[in-house]
Amino acid sequence: ILNVEQSPQSLHVQEGDSTNFTCSFPSSNFYALHWYRWETAKSPEALFVMTLNGDEKKKGRISATLNTKEGYSYLYIKGSQPEDSATYLCAFNTGNQFYFGTGTSLTVIP
Amino acid sequence: DAGITQSPRYKITETGRQVTLMCHQTWSHSYMFWYRQDLGHGLRLIYYSAAADITDKGEVPDGYVVSRSKTENFPLTLESATRSQTSVYFCASKTYQGAGEQYFGPGTRLTVT
Repeated sequence: ILNVEQSPQSLHVQEGDSTNFTCSFPSSNFYALHWYRWETAKSPEALFVMTLNGDEKKKGRISATLNTKEGYSYLYIKGSQPEDSATYLCAFNTGNQFYFGTGTSLTVIP
Repeated sequence: DAGITQSPRYKITETGRQVTLMCHQTWSHSYMFWYRQDLGHGLRLIYYSAAADITDKGEVPDGYVVSRSKTENFPLTLESATRSQTSVYFCASKTYQGAGEQYFGPGTRLTVT
């Protein structure tokens, strides 16, 4: 069983704050690292798919970086807004199989 | 409507009963997946399928059976439901092997009494 860890487990920030969280994964059998945004009562939505060491992806105020050699990825949110409140999941992809972390729950306080 | 759908959305069943959860996608994606969501574990892969008639076990396959006779459908059957199988089940699909994005269905909340 592959271990994918996310930290922190939960986070409360004020509107306008920037924040970041971490996904740690094995450095072997790496194919891709996925980030998802998961709102309550909805299904996960893909944010980024990252495949190369040093990859950086950006979508609006959200960005992510990838270090496959040391086995971690960071997700950054700049100027958090209440609508950013959600659980952010990462998933380690070995090619066919996906191993998910338990997520970071973000609450942005207006 | 295009997309990925699951049925039923909610199901209550008794211990020992057989129950089938349905997943249907209209994109003709090759890959389909079944996950269960559990507190403290996040999403765990039950089974996946690379194409029609090709299925393989994921992390937690025990007690589940899948089939894929058509590309668009990927039913998940609990042969004899147990209380530990109470969970929310998500189906997902993606276009090709490797780094493609997964698209998730809305989920089925299953309660085994």
